[in-house]
Amino acid sequence: AAGVIQSPRHLIKEKRETATLKCYPIPRHDTVYWYQQGPGQDPQFLISFYEKMQSDKGSIPDRFSAQQFSDYHSELNMSSLELGDSALYFCASSHRDGYTFGSGTRLTVV
Amino acid sequence: SQQGEEDPQALSIQEGENATMNCSYKTSINNLQWYRQNSGRGLVHLILIRSNEREKHSGRLRVTLDTSKKSSSLLITASRAADTASYFCATDLNTGFQKLVFGTGTRLLVSP
Repeated sequence: AAGVIQSPRHLIKEKRETATLKCYPIPRHDTVYWYQQGPGQDPQFLISFYEKMQSDKGSIPDRFSAQQFSDYHSELNMSSLELGDSALYFCASSHRDGYTFGSGTRLTVV
Repeated sequence: SQQGEEDPQALSIQEGENATMNCSYKTSINNLQWYRQNSGRGLVHLILIRSNEREKHSGRLRVTLDTSKKSSSLLITASRAADTASYFCATDLNTGFQKLVFGTGTRLLVSP
């Protein structure tokens, strides 16, 4: 069965640049989530979308924005990147109780 | 503040021993889930226990949930070196929209 697909797998950006991460949820999953996991940290909830509308917001910096498109894929846009934004970014999708996580995008800001 | 706190933060055992990890949380939940993560890799769902369940088994995994104490434990029996990973509990909060909130994780090292 298809899983949650994230792209790219790895991304290297310089400070002050912009990055866009993509997530393709499992078909018919109605909610998409974004998490950020810093080195040695637990995943932190950033933002979620239910049926293409933002449903919840966590500790997401103002420099970050996200949206879910008509085909249900989601993009996380990060501007004015800082060194501290280096982390593993996970997307997950869910339907009822079942959550499935993507393999993540490792963002390195240099 | 963290919804889930786990202890121990790190656990080192020998193959064949059992590993027990605990998780405490603060607010009402729909369910609690345990995930495994190998170093720098993705999160793998292990087991889900609903708020009206007290114990659940899956292979060598046993999860308990005590909603009165707002705590859960994950027991891995007869551990193997391949069980070496970080283990996170995550609570599915009882709010209008679903959201998983992760605990701080336990790093398990199983030595041959």
